[in-house]
Amino acid sequence: DAGITQSPRHKVTETGTPVTLRCHQTENHRYMYWYRQDPGHGLRLIHYSYGVKDTDKGEVSDGYSVSRSKTEDFLLTLESATSSQTSVYFCATQGGETQYFGPGTRLLVL
Amino acid sequence: GNSVTQMEGPVTLSEEAFLTINCTYTATGYPSLFWYVQYPGEGLQLLLKATKADDKGSNKGFEATYRKETTSFHLEKGSVQVSDSAVYFCALTITGGGNKLTFGTGTQLKVEL
Repeated sequence: DAGITQSPRHKVTETGTPVTLRCHQTENHRYMYWYRQDPGHGLRLIHYSYGVKDTDKGEVSDGYSVSRSKTEDFLLTLESATSSQTSVYFCATQGGETQYFGPGTRLLVL
Repeated sequence: GNSVTQMEGPVTLSEEAFLTINCTYTATGYPSLFWYVQYPGEGLQLLLKATKADDKGSNKGFEATYRKETTSFHLEKGSVQVSDSAVYFCALTITGGGNKLTFGTGTQLKVEL
């Protein structure tokens, strides 16, 4: 357990509304990641950060943005949610050779 | 590009049965290989890893050997328990690639009494 919390844990929203998911870590890890988990796809990387204000795109970044103003917080924003963004979102941090995962946020876009 | 292929699930076994979950990969560069486990309603946890060819990772009775010649990293356990019921993910990362993980699609294991 690398001290990763995600909020909210569950959210229902409507198409077209903005949504922000928060990841908070207490381990002072430099690297942080956002993944989405969908049936038949495993986990896919959305965005990652390699330091404060340093971020880069992952495999499925369209429709998502991120920000990292402090080492401990990594925010994922859906600027205008779509039904295809209904998923479970996981945050992770890198400690040594291991990625540690948060408990996930289940997002439903109606 | 990099990719990981896992056997389709779900896999249903009786308690104390032998488990194998197949995993093969394609990678540019020198991958490190991982097995992660996800219990119901939880995030992923690292189960075991191997960072170079012929390394064997092991944890909680699970084992996997990094086979470069067959590009495989099959997960095995000699005697499964009901508590092993979970989804298992094979993954790789490339040295110098920002630690980004590429995951397989996951294999659900259900162990029955």
